[in-house]
Amino acid sequence: AQSVSQHNHHVILSEAASLELGCNYSYGGTVNLFWYVQYPGQHLQLLLKYFSGDPLVKGIKGFEAEFIKSKFSFNLRKPSVQWSDTAEYFCAVNRGNSGYALNFGKGTSLLVTP
Amino acid sequence: DAGVIQSPRHEVTEMGQEVTLRCKPISGHNSLFWYRQTMMRGLELLIYFNNNVPIDDSGMPEDRFSAKMPNASFSTLKIQPSEPRDSAVYFCASSFSDRGNTEAFFGQGTRLTVV
Repeated sequence: AQSVSQHNHHVILSEAASLELGCNYSYGGTVNLFWYVQYPGQHLQLLLKYFSGDPLVKGIKGFEAEFIKSKFSFNLRKPSVQWSDTAEYFCAVNRGNSGYALNFGKGTSLLVTP
Repeated sequence: DAGVIQSPRHEVTEMGQEVTLRCKPISGHNSLFWYRQTMMRGLELLIYFNNNVPIDDSGMPEDRFSAKMPNASFSTLKIQPSEPRDSAVYFCASSFSDRGNTEAFFGQGTRLTVV
């Protein structure tokens, strides 16, 4: 079965620090990759997605992610976090060309301190 | 479009009672997903529909859970009888896709508490 691993469960950063959240998946075929964010008490919102093309994907709010096929990874980055980035971050994968449902990682809880 | 609409937002019920959660997907979307979120298990896919047809229900935990999608604009997730371990936030999501290469839009969720 396809699985998605997020290495960091809890991350605490000070404002202006750089962020990198790890995500690895186990499926070897064509995949579509996503990062979602869930602010406290809110529903999931899409940060960015990768389907094909340039492996460096830019999303909303200054976030970006890089797809490294050889490492089965799709790490999320932001050069300078803000207090408002405090949220839960989920990596998700579905298989291209078959199956539409997203498989999610367990999530990473990010706390940004002033 | 108002987005994916779920109701109710909060539900508190007693063990053994029937619970029905409702979802209205975004108009024009052809895939609908039900997820359950708990602290222990994270986000779990329960079932998903494509063109109103259930495609994969392997995530439905037990026979107590059932889901229907009678038309393109409405789906229900029913738990009968409910148990305290069913307490979770249940999310509905929808997307338009013929190959999975579009994002899923999530509703606000239903927070279910079974006492």
